[in-house]
Amino acid sequence: GAVVSQHPSWVICKSGTSVKIECRSLDFQATTMFWYRQFPKQSLMLMATSNEGSKATYEQGVEKDKFLINHASLTLSTLTVTSAHPEDSSFYICSAREPRGLNTEAFFGQGTRLTVV
Amino acid sequence: EDQVTQSPEALRLQEGESSSLNCSYTVSGLRGLFWYRQDPGKGPEFLFTLYSAGEEKEKERLKATLTKKESFLHITAPKPEDSATYLCAVSNQAGTALIFGKGTTLSVSS
Repeated sequence: GAVVSQHPSWVICKSGTSVKIECRSLDFQATTMFWYRQFPKQSLMLMATSNEGSKATYEQGVEKDKFLINHASLTLSTLTVTSAHPEDSSFYICSAREPRGLNTEAFFGQGTRLTVV
Repeated sequence: EDQVTQSPEALRLQEGESSSLNCSYTVSGLRGLFWYRQDPGKGPEFLFTLYSAGEEKEKERLKATLTKKESFLHITAPKPEDSATYLCAVSNQAGTALIFGKGTTLSVSS
């Protein structure tokens, strides 16, 4: 299957600082990537859809000024958590779907565990 | 509203004890049903895609089936390494984000 690489796998930051998470599709071009957040023992909650060359589409309740998404190329999307606070601590996962037709599975990165202290 | 419900939330099995996980869905135009495996602290790992009722797919000890209202993930003679959370998701449009259920956490003891 296709490979999606996410970095870093974990990060600890101080409250008030910003953290950038990278998501790369290694063997295919992804015009669309997705960012999810997952709390312990909960399912994946879609935060935003990242579109190459245009603005991201955010889900209701997700602050777009706090969670900045940039999709500058067909293989890279970044999520920046700005002015992080302890309540932003969570597991963040990116995903991409191969553009091989209308019905394709999504592949996921390894996830990033963010801890804000 | 499109929705995915998985049951049970948790399942404990003895090694070799076969069972099934359920995924019920309501979606306006199913474009695919997906099963993923997620280990603690990792991203979901793709297992299967099913597109139409009656379709079945197998991989080692796992077999996924699909009807018009639900999907089953059958686990035959499970081993401890099958312990994980199994996620079900559906797609209602090409190229959009998948809609996930809450998952079933499977524990297999030897």
